[in-house]
Amino acid sequence: SQKIEQNSEALNIQEGKTATLTCNYTNYSPAYLQWYRQDPGRGPVFLLLIRENEKEKRKERLKVTFDTTLKQSLFHITASQPADSATYLCALGNAGNNRKLIWGLGTSLAVNP
Amino acid sequence: NAGVTQTPKFRILKIGQSMTLQCTQDMNHNYMYWYRQDPGMGLKLIYYSVGAGITDKGEVPNGYNVSRSTTEDFPLRLELAAPSQTSVYFCASRGTGRRETQYFGPGTRLLVL
Repeated sequence: SQKIEQNSEALNIQEGKTATLTCNYTNYSPAYLQWYRQDPGRGPVFLLLIRENEKEKRKERLKVTFDTTLKQSLFHITASQPADSATYLCALGNAGNNRKLIWGLGTSLAVNP
Repeated sequence: NAGVTQTPKFRILKIGQSMTLQCTQDMNHNYMYWYRQDPGMGLKLIYYSVGAGITDKGEVPNGYNVSRSTTEDFPLRLELAAPSQTSVYFCASRGTGRRETQYFGPGTRLLVL
C-alpha cells in the first residue's frame, strides 16, 4: 500500500541554522509533492509544490528538492527563526485519484532563540 | 475572500446525538474535502466532492454523511455520535486543473462524551 514517512522525531534547531525535513514515500508515483505548515489549533497552510519533472523549488527562505529515483523530498528552511516553529506536512498527489492527496504524519520543528 | 469557513469552532456532543458541521468556501472551487485529524495520526480523508451533486467516500467514512447541493457548501453530518468521533475536523477545497493547492478551514473541535 502507499506509504509516506516523515521524520518521526521532533526537530530542534538553533535560530539561524538550516532546518532540513525529510519526506520518503513508497508504492506511489506522484505527479507532484506539496509541503504544508500547520500551527497548533489551526488548519494546514500551503507552502510549496514541486512537480515530478522538477528537481528543486525555492521560495524566499524555503527550498524543496524532489528525487523520484530515491522517492524522497527534502524541505529546507534557511536562516531559521523561532516563528518557523510548527509542524510541517508532506503530501503527494497525481492527476488522477480525484485530486486526493496522500498525507504524511508531519514533522514538528522547534527553532530555539 | 473569506476562503474556507467552518462552524462551529468547538462542540461537545453526548453519545447518540447528531450534528452537522458546516463548511463554506467562496473561491468557486469544485473540489471539497472533509478530513479528521487525531493526535499523532495525521489527516484522514472522510468524504470528498468533485462538484455540486457529486460526493464519494474517503478512507474513514463510517458514521458520517455528506451532501453537496451547491458549489459553496459541503456540510458533514454525524448521525449517532460515538466517542471514536472525538477529533478535529478540517474542511478543504481546491481548484481545477493544475491548481493543486488545498485551502483549509480553521477546523471544528468535536468532543463526544
